[in-house]
Amino acid sequence: GAVVSQHPSWVICKSGTSVKIECRSLDFQATTMFWYRQFPKQSLMLMATSNEGSKATYEQGVEKDKFLINHASLTLSTLTVTSAHPEDSSFYICSIQKITYEQYFGPGTRLTVT
Amino acid sequence: GESVGLHLPTLSVQEGDNSIINCAYSNSASDYFIWYKQESGKGPQFIIDIRSNMDKRQGQRVTVLLNKTVKHLSLQIAATQPGDSAVYFCAENRRNSGYALNFGKGTSLLVTP
Repeated sequence: GAVVSQHPSWVICKSGTSVKIECRSLDFQATTMFWYRQFPKQSLMLMATSNEGSKATYEQGVEKDKFLINHASLTLSTLTVTSAHPEDSSFYICSIQKITYEQYFGPGTRLTVT
Repeated sequence: GESVGLHLPTLSVQEGDNSIINCAYSNSASDYFIWYKQESGKGPQFIIDIRSNMDKRQGQRVTVLLNKTVKHLSLQIAATQPGDSAVYFCAENRRNSGYALNFGKGTSLLVTP
């Protein structure tokens, strides 16, 4: 397997502020990390693919200027939700992918925007 | 359109019974499939995977079956335990889509004593 951590595990912020979520691969150097979003009682939806040393690739409908992704190293990717609004409240989950295509997920970050 | 879906949204089984969770996919180009277990408030946990060149794979108490003819995937859990209660997702990985996962809707498994 692989060990993936996320920080913070939960965060509450006011509307209009920005929030940064960290995703760390603790035992594997991940060239590629993924960011997903999950609304209550729904499935995971891919937001973007984060590649170390290059720009992230965003899925259709995901605003790249609102969800800033920085894959600064082989063990760290960050997602910044800028000018957050209540509709951005969700469960954000990152994953790392091994060369064998297996993906391992972090524990998730619960974002609540008030 | 292309999708990965699940036949049943909820499944209730008695402790000790076997559970079968089904999943359908529509893209014949899908070549790698994974089952995940997600407990409330946690990230998905890898259970078992299977590649398209196989039709069956077994793990500890779990078996995944792949029927490419009808584009159907199933997860069998033997001797289901209360700790198996969770939402189960199937996911597909298509190499020509950047290796990201496309998740199905999920099946909630409830194990009753």
